Amino acid sequence: NAGVTQTPKFQVLKTGQSMTLQCAQDMNHEYMSWYRQDPGMGLRLIHYSVGAGITDQGEVPNGYNVSRSTTEDFPLRLLSAAPSQTSVYFCASSYEATGLETQYFGPGTRLLVL
Amino acid sequence: KQEVTQIPAALSVPEGENLVLNCSFTDSAIYNLQWFRQDPGKGLTSLLLIQSSQREQTSGRLNASLDKSSGRSTLYIAASQPGDSATYLCAVRPHTGFQKLVFGTGTRLLVSP
Repeated sequence: NAGVTQTPKFQVLKTGQSMTLQCAQDMNHEYMSWYRQDPGMGLRLIHYSVGAGITDQGEVPNGYNVSRSTTEDFPLRLLSAAPSQTSVYFCASSYEATGLETQYFGPGTRLLVL
Repeated sequence: KQEVTQIPAALSVPEGENLVLNCSFTDSAIYNLQWFRQDPGKGLTSLLLIQSSQREQTSGRLNASLDKSSGRSTLYIAASQPGDSATYLCAVRPHTGFQKLVFGTGTRLLVSP
């Protein structure tokens, strides 16, 4: 198993540009989520999904969209990038839809918005 | 609102030393607590998951304890090695808003040879 994979590893955007961060898992996990990690702050939940076709907002959803058309993929879209979205983004998954079990994290995408 | 604090923010020890990392949380209404390891520029690796009904979990040289009533958890690392150098994060799964993990800011550990 590849586990949780994320692409790209690093991206530079200009303010106003849009992009999609990709996340995939091959463990047949129901629950998937996106977090951002900023210096001096704990990881914060952006969006999550409890199964294909079901998504919901987390703690800091503004400026981000998600969709879950398959169990394996959970892309995160930045609609119009802002410098405040400069961060490291992590995708995570767990087996059951409750998300109460061990969370498996991807290697992260480092995003710089100029 | 649940808050998670980790002290110290950074710790430097010589190889072979036993050490304890601390995690405290403000609301005892949690489902579980999870300890992660994060290497520079890498993702998070789960180390131990303690359910709210449990008092401790062990994996190799690692032992994590949970005292839910006092809002505390410790991660004990025995016979530390340079390969243990990393940032250690703890996170709780609260009853309210259980879909998110609430993370601390981590303890950066450096083990010197």
